[in-house]
Amino acid sequence: GAVVSQHPSRVICKSGTSVKIECRSLDFQATTMFWYRQFPKKSLMLMATSNEGSKATYEQGVEKDKFLINHASLTLSTLTVTSAHPEDSSFYICSAKPGTSYEQYFGPGTRLTVT
Amino acid sequence: AQSVSQHNHHVILSEAASLELGCNYSYGGTVNLFWYVQYPGQHLQLLLKYFSGDPLVKGIKGFEAEFIKSKFSFNLRKPSVQWSDTAEYFCAVKWGSSNTGKLIFGQGTTLQVKP
Repeated sequence: GAVVSQHPSRVICKSGTSVKIECRSLDFQATTMFWYRQFPKKSLMLMATSNEGSKATYEQGVEKDKFLINHASLTLSTLTVTSAHPEDSSFYICSAKPGTSYEQYFGPGTRLTVT
Repeated sequence: AQSVSQHNHHVILSEAASLELGCNYSYGGTVNLFWYVQYPGQHLQLLLKYFSGDPLVKGIKGFEAEFIKSKFSFNLRKPSVQWSDTAEYFCAVKWGSSNTGKLIFGQGTTLQVKP
């Protein structure tokens, strides 16, 4: 149980285009989902917290207009990187948390490369 | 500011050696503490967690961790490592007593176990 999937697993896009990454909780309802960014040899940096049906809460320094987050249902959150640039290349990981749980379950991550 | 620090960035051990990875967090109050492992090419998995009660917690695969409140520490230990323990290890902390709230991750420790 408690499986989280991400799609796609890796994506290459051209500079200036937008990319959407999906995060799904497969066997539970996730009232809260989190989006992280992981740089090579670095820790996970929380980008934003999204609660189903409400606007995401972004961490300081994260551009909300660039990283659009939608948590439209209890099993799906999407992260759209708009007008991507090479510096947006990174590993993006989502996690999902059932309503009453203290524990987050992590997805396998999405490798974004912007050329 | 809330922060989590892992002192060992890269640890190399031989099989059967004992392991201790340090984790300290910035200040007190109510905390939930976690250790995650990320095997090469795989997603983050929970090793163990501390919410309350016995400060010595046991996790999967023979790992354990001890919460020392006075030292703001939650060090991870394993008496005898195996080659399959080669992975990235992350300490994470959630401040506050509610089940909402974000995780702050440490920088991660790369463990390399030589056969």
